[in-house]
Amino acid sequence: DAGVIQSPRHEVTEMGQEVTLRCKPISGHNSLFWYRQTMMRGLELLIYFNNNVPIDDSGMPEDRFSAKMPNASFSTLKIQPSEPRDSAVYFCASSLSPSGRTGELFFGEGSRLTVL
Amino acid sequence: DQQVKQNSPSLSVQEGRISILNCDYTNSMFDYFLWYKKYPAEGPTFLISISSIKDKNEDGRFTVFLNKSAKHLSLHIVPSQPGDSAVYFCAASAPGSKIIFGKGTRLHILP
Repeated sequence: DAGVIQSPRHEVTEMGQEVTLRCKPISGHNSLFWYRQTMMRGLELLIYFNNNVPIDDSGMPEDRFSAKMPNASFSTLKIQPSEPRDSAVYFCASSLSPSGRTGELFFGEGSRLTVL
Repeated sequence: DQQVKQNSPSLSVQEGRISILNCDYTNSMFDYFLWYKKYPAEGPTFLISISSIKDKNEDGRFTVFLNKSAKHLSLHIVPSQPGDSAVYFCAASAPGSKIIFGKGTRLHILP
C-alpha cells in the first residue's frame, strides 16, 4: 500500500533558481499538508488543503513560495526565486481528518533542498 | 513565540530503562496532543495521542500523560529498546486551528 510519495528526494540548486517539489497523497485522503523542517524552527506548517482547496496558507514565508493542488492526487510547492535560507527538508503529509489535528498525519519521506 | 516547547534537545537512556520525554505548552485552548516519531531520512510517523478530557493514554510500551494545570505532557517508553532511538516531536492543536509542533527531542537508547 503506497504511502505519501514525494519527489525529488534531494535537490541542490543555485540561488535564484526555481524549485518545484511534488507530492502524491495517499488515495482517499482529502487533506494535504506541506511542512518545512529546520534546526532552528522545527516542523512548521506552510499550507494545507482540504478537498484540493487551500485552507490555511498563513505559514507560507513570503510571495516566493506558492503551492497548488490541481487534483486530489497531486500537489506542488514552488519556490521562485530560491534563496539559501530556504534550505530545509520539506515534508508533505496527508490525512483523512480535515485539519489533521485529531487524525493521524501520514508523512512522505521528505525532499531535502539545498540552495547554494 | 513557541507555543509547544520541548526543552531537551537530546536524551540518552539505557536499554531496558524508562525513557521520559517532556513537552510544555502555553496555549490553554489546546485540546488535543500528539507525539510523532522520526527516524533519519524518513518522515515523522504518528505514535500516540491524547485528548484534553483524559490525563493518560497507554498503547503498549508507550504512555502519554497530560497535566493540564501545568500545561505539561510527557511520553513514557517502558522498557526502552534500541529501535526507539529517534527524534520525538510533541504536537498540539486547538479547535479550528492547525497543529503546532515542538522542535523535537533526539532519544538515544544506549546498549
